[in-house]
Amino acid sequence: GDSVTQMEGPVTLSEEAFLTINCTYTATGYPSLFWYVQYPGEGLQLLLKATKADDKGSNKGFEATYRKETTSFHLEKGSVQVSDSAVYFCALSDTNTGNQFYFGTGTSLTVIP
Amino acid sequence: NAGVMQNPRHLVRRRGQEARLRCSPMKGHSHVYWYRQLPEEGLKFMVYLQKENIIDESGMPKERFSAEFPKEGPSILRIQQVVRGDSAAYFCASSPRKGVTEAFFGQGTRLTVV
Repeated sequence: GDSVTQMEGPVTLSEEAFLTINCTYTATGYPSLFWYVQYPGEGLQLLLKATKADDKGSNKGFEATYRKETTSFHLEKGSVQVSDSAVYFCALSDTNTGNQFYFGTGTSLTVIP
Repeated sequence: NAGVMQNPRHLVRRRGQEARLRCSPMKGHSHVYWYRQLPEEGLKFMVYLQKENIIDESGMPKERFSAEFPKEGPSILRIQQVVRGDSAAYFCASSPRKGVTEAFFGQGTRLTVV
């Protein structure tokens, strides 16, 4: 079945450091891929998405490229800020059904000044 | 255009009581999804509803849990005879059409069973 495997945390970085959070997926169909962010005490906010192979999603300095050959959708940011401290979830939606997301377990990021 | 509204934000119930969680979708959205987030875990799908219909309830526990999305009013997730293991954050998402690609999430209801 469909699933997402996400790099475990927690991750602690200094401000302006480079961020990578790994995400790989297994899907039977042609999934769309997503990164969601959850700030403390809040709900999920869509950070970026990609709907087909080789697409790059980007938002707020974050990027992720849909790699079909490696079944990956790694999240990157060149220079993190304290305000990026949150939990990041990788997710997929299978276009064959489209009824649900399959989420990774989340990666907690703390950025220290 | 208000986002997805969930209430209450926090709910405390004693074991054996009933919990009712409400979700008002975004304006123009007729598809609602419920997810549960257990401590230290990702979100797990529970149920997908359209107005007056349950489309996919494959993630719902077989007992004590039910969901509805009436023609008028919010979607309701109902948990009867709550147990400690039901303590979690429950998130609702809505979309204008089938498929979660355009879904927006609410801020969640945090249920604590004491």
